[in-house]
Amino acid sequence: SQELEQSPQSLIVQEGKNLTINCTSSKTLYGLYWYKQKYGEGLIFLMMLQKGGEEKSHEKITAKLDEKKQQSSLHITASQPSHAGIYLCGADRDSNYQLIWGAGTKLIIKP
Amino acid sequence: EAGVTQFPSHSVIEKGQTVTLRCDPISGHDNLYWYRRVMGKEIKFLLHFVKESKQDESGMPNNRFLAERTGGTYSTLKVQPAELEDSGVYFCASSQDPRLDTQYFGPGTRLTVL
Repeated sequence: SQELEQSPQSLIVQEGKNLTINCTSSKTLYGLYWYKQKYGEGLIFLMMLQKGGEEKSHEKITAKLDEKKQQSSLHITASQPSHAGIYLCGADRDSNYQLIWGAGTKLIIKP
Repeated sequence: EAGVTQFPSHSVIEKGQTVTLRCDPISGHDNLYWYRRVMGKEIKFLLHFVKESKQDESGMPNNRFLAERTGGTYSTLKVQPAELEDSGVYFCASSQDPRLDTQYFGPGTRLTVL
């Protein structure tokens, strides 16, 4: 079974609309990371969340980590074509910093 | 500043052959990680180097996989002999301080075993 459940697996959104991607763990996490991958490129780091209840924003992307540090959401406001790609959530499972990952969400933006 | 680089970007080999993947971390990063992503599944941890030492190799699937990091700079991951199930994308990442710094990933090497 996957240690990080990421949903949805794929998402098609009309340009300008908002969207949310979720990442859930059955266990408390040490740190939660959101990455984006474009085809043929390395994973691009988006945000890191370490504290329960933490929320970070960058441009039109907001990420939140719940108080229990088991669930995170990534919210994109007024989506643009540049937001298209695969979004991955990753997390530090324990203090050894071994990363675990979700299966990814493929985001397509319709013009 | 140059990012993490990996070579080759794509490798196609026959079952039973040997392949060596290379990863050059960001200069100054002592921590180097290897990950593998089998198609349609999540990325899985393989191992973690701190300089030239293997900090954690709990994710290495079997003894057909050998990772080295001589001199604490670049790292190689050798698969010998390759099997069909080894196909996937192998990612390398590096970080300066795992307590404070995120891992920066390379573009990956896509390995296809026929």
